[in-house]
Amino acid sequence: GIQVEQSPPDLILQEGANSTLRCNFSDSVNNLQWFHQNPWGQLINLFYIPSGTKQNGRLSATTVATERYSLLYISSSQTTDSGVYFCAVMNTGFQKLVFGTGTRLLVSP
Amino acid sequence: NAGVTQTPKFQVLKTGQSMTLQCAQDMNHEYMSWYRQDPGMGLRLIHYSVGAGITDQGEVPNGYNVSRSTTEDFPLRLLSAAPSQTSVYFCASNNRAPIGAGELFFGEGSRLTVL
Repeated sequence: GIQVEQSPPDLILQEGANSTLRCNFSDSVNNLQWFHQNPWGQLINLFYIPSGTKQNGRLSATTVATERYSLLYISSSQTTDSGVYFCAVMNTGFQKLVFGTGTRLLVSP
Repeated sequence: NAGVTQTPKFQVLKTGQSMTLQCAQDMNHEYMSWYRQDPGMGLRLIHYSVGAGITDQGEVPNGYNVSRSTTEDFPLRLLSAAPSQTSVYFCASNNRAPIGAGELFFGEGSRLTVL
């Protein structure tokens, strides 16, 4: 099946810093989503982005489907950005979303 | 607007016991799914459904049963609990996109411990 790799696995930032999280996938996809899992375990959908670029406040995401990667940018990070960020993809022709193992982000004040 | 509702939030079982995790969504989504989350392994798909009466297996279906008699409900049954099923379980739903499934919404999770 499709493989999803996220990097870096862990990231520690000072409040106010910027960061880029990467998601690589091994096959063509028709669905790619980014999620944030907060320290209380809640999973929140950040972006539905099978291709192109989207922005939502301090967060933005870009997916280059032809090169099989997606990037999540966090600017001016805040302590509330801490948690785990997951990328999930769906193979073209299949109905299953496959998750990466996540990037654990800690933003310190 | 409740979204995706899971119950119970916490459960402790003894090996061999059975139980059902309930999941309901009020967004009229066609797709529903169950994931388990274990440390260091991300989320793994257990079972999913693309509509009422239709279910299929995910990556880790063994030991679990599902049914989808209505659009709103998608219960997950553990027939004979094992310690390996200790995990956090998430139910999710998503609507249909122009191609495949759309944006995924999660419930708050159910933490299950099997002794």
